[in-house]
Amino acid sequence: TQLLEQSPQFLSIQEGENLTVYCNSSSVFSSLQWYRQEPGEGPVLLVTVVTGGEVKKLKRLTFQFGDARKDSSLHITAAQPGDTGLYLCAATQGGSEKLVFGKGTKLTVNP
Amino acid sequence: GAVVSQHPSWVICKSGTSVKIECRSLDFQATTMFWYRQFPKQSLMLMATSNEGSKATYEQGVEKDKFLINHASLTLSTLTVTSAHPEDSSFYICSASGLAGGPRADTQYFGPGTRLTVL
Repeated sequence: TQLLEQSPQFLSIQEGENLTVYCNSSSVFSSLQWYRQEPGEGPVLLVTVVTGGEVKKLKRLTFQFGDARKDSSLHITAAQPGDTGLYLCAATQGGSEKLVFGKGTKLTVNP
Repeated sequence: GAVVSQHPSWVICKSGTSVKIECRSLDFQATTMFWYRQFPKQSLMLMATSNEGSKATYEQGVEKDKFLINHASLTLSTLTVTSAHPEDSSFYICSASGLAGGPRADTQYFGPGTRLTVL
């Protein structure tokens, strides 16, 4: 059973389009992180959300944490080829430091 | 800030040999370091959690005698794959989180990964 369900698993879009990636669970999380990983490299932290309903923006990226802290979304506006990569959501529960990862969304932005 | 390095970045070895991978936090002290493995086109799978000065805690299904972890200092953890076999070929990634109460606490900072190929 996958604790964190990410969708879609694959996404191929044209430059300039908008997109949303979802991360859902039936469990409540203490915090949720979004990472971006490029082939052959480690994940790079984009954002951490901890408060239900929280919205954070990072340039063209908007991150939202659900009110009940069970789900999150990542919205990219006017996607660019440089946004291509594997987007991973990961979460912690209770007082644990352990991160549970979703399966990831492989995004390809075509010029 | 919050830079984590891994060495080597890639290694090729023969079946039956042992390989050591180092994970260092370069600009902060890490109470806890984590080791993950990632198969092609898959997500990260936690192998073990290591705290400085104590034994590592392994996830279910991970053989502690095969994957030896040593967390010798607040800036260095090592993973040794003993008697490596082709099925151990994978991308191994470490992460580190800072001292409790500090600016790097509660967040894992990832290394660039080590590609292990066992022939």
